[in-house]
Formats: sequence, C-alpha cells, structure tokens
Amino acid sequence: DQQVKQNSPSLSVQEGRISILNCDYTNSMFDYFLWYKKYPAEGPTFLISISSIKDKNEDGRFTVFLNKSAKHLSLHIVPSQPGDSAVYFCAARGNQAGTALIFGKGTTLSVSS
Amino acid sequence: DTGVSQNPRHKITKRGQNVTFRCDPISEHNRLYWYRQTLGQGPEFLTYFQNEAQLEKSRLLSDRFSAERPKGSFSTLEIQRTEQGDSAMYLCASSIGSKNTEAFFGQGTRLTVV
Repeated sequence: DQQVKQNSPSLSVQEGRISILNCDYTNSMFDYFLWYKKYPAEGPTFLISISSIKDKNEDGRFTVFLNKSAKHLSLHIVPSQPGDSAVYFCAARGNQAGTALIFGKGTTLSVSS
Repeated sequence: DTGVSQNPRHKITKRGQNVTFRCDPISEHNRLYWYRQTLGQGPEFLTYFQNEAQLEKSRLLSDRFSAERPKGSFSTLEIQRTEQGDSAMYLCASSIGSKNTEAFFGQGTRLTVV
C-alpha cells in the first residue's frame, strides 16, 4: 500500500512556463514533507521542504504548497529551465524524530527550450 | 568534499556471492539511513541508525541483509548469497538529530547480480 503517491509519471513543460508536480499521501501521521530532485546515476538531492504547520514554503523559483485536509502537496517551479529536467520525488516523514522518509515513485520532468 | 560518500559506485557480482557496501556520512550527522531503489520506483527504506544503534529495519531487509555502523561513523551494508532480485541502486543518507531536517543522500552503489 503506497503511502505517498505521485500519480503523474511524467510532465513536459516549455522553458519559462510553470511546472506543477503533485503528490498525495494517505498517512495522517506524516507531518514533514520534502521534495528531492534526481539526475540519472546520482543520488537524490534535497530541494525544498515544508512542515505540516505551514501551507506554503518558498525558495527562489521553487514553492511547495501543502493542503492537509486534502492530504495533497504540490511543487511549483517558476520559471522552468531546461536544467530542471530530472526526476522529482515527493517524500514524507512521520511525527517522530528520526523516522524514515517514505518516497513516492517520482515524476520525470522534461523542460524544453 | 563533505557530502555523503558511498563505495563502490558500481558492483557486478555473480549470483550466490556476498557483497559489502560502505557509506561515509556527513561527519556531524548522527543519523544514517539505507535505501534501495529499483527502476521506476522511489527509494525504499531498508534500515536506520542513530549513532551506532540500529533503530529500525524494514521488512524489505531479509535475513541475507545485514547493516552495521560501528562507533557511529561509517556504515556497511552486506548482502549474503546475492540473488538477481537484489540488483538495484543502494542509497545511503544521513541527517542531523533535529526533527524537521532533510536527509542528504550519497551517489549510491549500483549492484548488478548476474
């Protein structure tokens, strides 16, 4: 049973436009959410996170939105750049320190110039 | 380089052989995680250490898998009697002890069992 779901395996966007990547979760005990970016043959790289006490967190071109009632979060990238092309993983953690991150299956973002 | 380091980067082994991977976390991080990633999947949690104590193990971690973190520094993951289904990317991550902190991943060890 997947606790973190990324229902879109892929997304194609033109350079300069907005990319929106979505993630749903089922476990109400999750209270910290992260997005990672992964290039082929490399480990995931941390991008941005959000605590459940917030509904938005922004870092440069990246914004994460959290809707707790819907158990949904999204990552917005504005403007998208070709270098953003990668696999994006949504991850969630329970409310005890040190608990493992649970990952979704990822969404492959392709940004064309 | 002060990131998470994993060795080797690639390992090809014959079915039935034992393999061992090493992870060197970021020096001030007391938490260390092992994950496995197969094609089309996200990283799947295997096990977690706080300092030298192994605090959590996934049901994915069969009896053929063992992990250690002596002295709370580097960690090793050993797979005994490898099977073709063990072929995957094995990822190590580390983090500091605070609650809402990200984990930093190494570049992974790609295992191919032939």
